[in-house]
Amino acid sequence: NAGVTQTPKFQVLKTGQSMTLQCAQDMNHNSMYWYRQDPGMGLRLIYYSASEGTTDKGEVPNGYNVSRLNKREFSLRLESAAPSQTSVYFCASSDPGNEQYFGPGTRLTVT
Amino acid sequence: AQSVTQPDIHITVSEGASLELRCNYSYGATPYLFWYVQSPGQGLQLLLKYFSGDTLVQGIKGFEAEFKRSQSSFNLRKPSVHWSDAAEYFCAVGGPAGDYKLSFGAGTTVTVRA
Repeated sequence: NAGVTQTPKFQVLKTGQSMTLQCAQDMNHNSMYWYRQDPGMGLRLIYYSASEGTTDKGEVPNGYNVSRLNKREFSLRLESAAPSQTSVYFCASSDPGNEQYFGPGTRLTVT
Repeated sequence: AQSVTQPDIHITVSEGASLELRCNYSYGATPYLFWYVQSPGQGLQLLLKYFSGDTLVQGIKGFEAEFKRSQSSFNLRKPSVHWSDAAEYFCAVGGPAGDYKLSFGAGTTVTVRA
């Protein structure tokens, strides 16, 4: 069991470039989440998908879009990257009412 | 709205000493509460969780936490710290009233000195 996997592990972008972060889970969970982690701020929810076919905004959705491709996969897209989006991004999955399982993270730097 | 406060940004403790990390939450109903640990460069690992029932919860790695509704707290404890416990610890709150989304505290970094 791989759990939650994320690609890439590291990425450097120039301001204005776009990219997609990929996330997949093999635990048959219904819900998936994208967070960003910044020093001193804990994890903040960007978007989530409570079930396949649905997505909703979290606390900090501006500048991001998501796609729940199927039950396993949930991608996060930055259409025009900004230095303020330099962060570590975590994907997580769960069944409603249970704990979330986290991926290893993607460290993104925007210059 | 739900939120979590972890009052201590950084704690230093000697190996073998006891550890207590504080967590205060705000939630409009009975909360689901979690403690996660993050080692440097890693993802988050669940230490323990509280949904209902016994207010003293046992977790992995010798950790426990106590839910106190009257104080809106869910403090994490370990009787004797090991050097491998050096990490960042996050408290989180969620529940059915918030579509099970979690809100995380800012984290407490624990340093263990020999």
